[in-house]
Amino acid sequence: QSALTQPPSASGSPGQSVTISCTGTSSDVGGYNYVSWYQQHPGKAPKLMIYEVSKRPSGVPDRFSASKSGNTASLTVSGLQAEDEADYYCSSYAGSNIVVFGGGTKLTVL
Amino acid sequence: QVQLVESGGGVVQPERSLRLSCEASGFTFSSYGMHWVRQAPGKGLEWVAVISYDGSSKYYADSVKGRFTISRDNSKNTLYLQMNSLRPEDTAVYYCAKGSSWSGVSWGQGTLVTVSS
Repeated sequence: QSALTQPPSASGSPGQSVTISCTGTSSDVGGYNYVSWYQQHPGKAPKLMIYEVSKRPSGVPDRFSASKSGNTASLTVSGLQAEDEADYYCSSYAGSNIVVFGGGTKLTVL
Repeated sequence: QVQLVESGGGVVQPERSLRLSCEASGFTFSSYGMHWVRQAPGKGLEWVAVISYDGSSKYYADSVKGRFTISRDNSKNTLYLQMNSLRPEDTAVYYCAKGSSWSGVSWGQGTLVTVSS
């Protein structure tokens, strides 16, 4: 049950795009299409932004998109806005009814 | 709307026990698997456990296996986490989450558990 690997930080200016990676193995990210992304503002509960690799729940802006290639998943935030500044976590089903999270990425809007 | 309200957190000594509850409303609780996820102070999210919609299947992270027990009472729309043999490293905010496609679709506000002598 090793954690997925995310960069500790990412940044971009308003209006720009930023991509956050999430690297796992063939036993988790690469093996299943059950990658999720969460946004967490300080002191708040996480919010689901992406599920099943690239699907957006109702209400999530289409500025948020995601994909997967091999053992690496990616979240892209386009048209950065101030309110996008938050921590972002990826997670993946890892087989045997287990879920693993990434260490989180702090996104700063410059 | 979906609402999940955790309770039962507090300060507890090492090796003692604590039971967390998560009261659900706004959806058909008995139709969904449910997760517990925790977050140590200043740290990232850690998945703890999952239970099937009917309570027949339960799975745990290695870090809590044998010490924590997840359960549910569908007649009360409530999820539980029984935590035994608590360790300082179990100190965290504990969240319950409604599950779907191995995602946490909706989350509660969390309850803080502090393990300290």
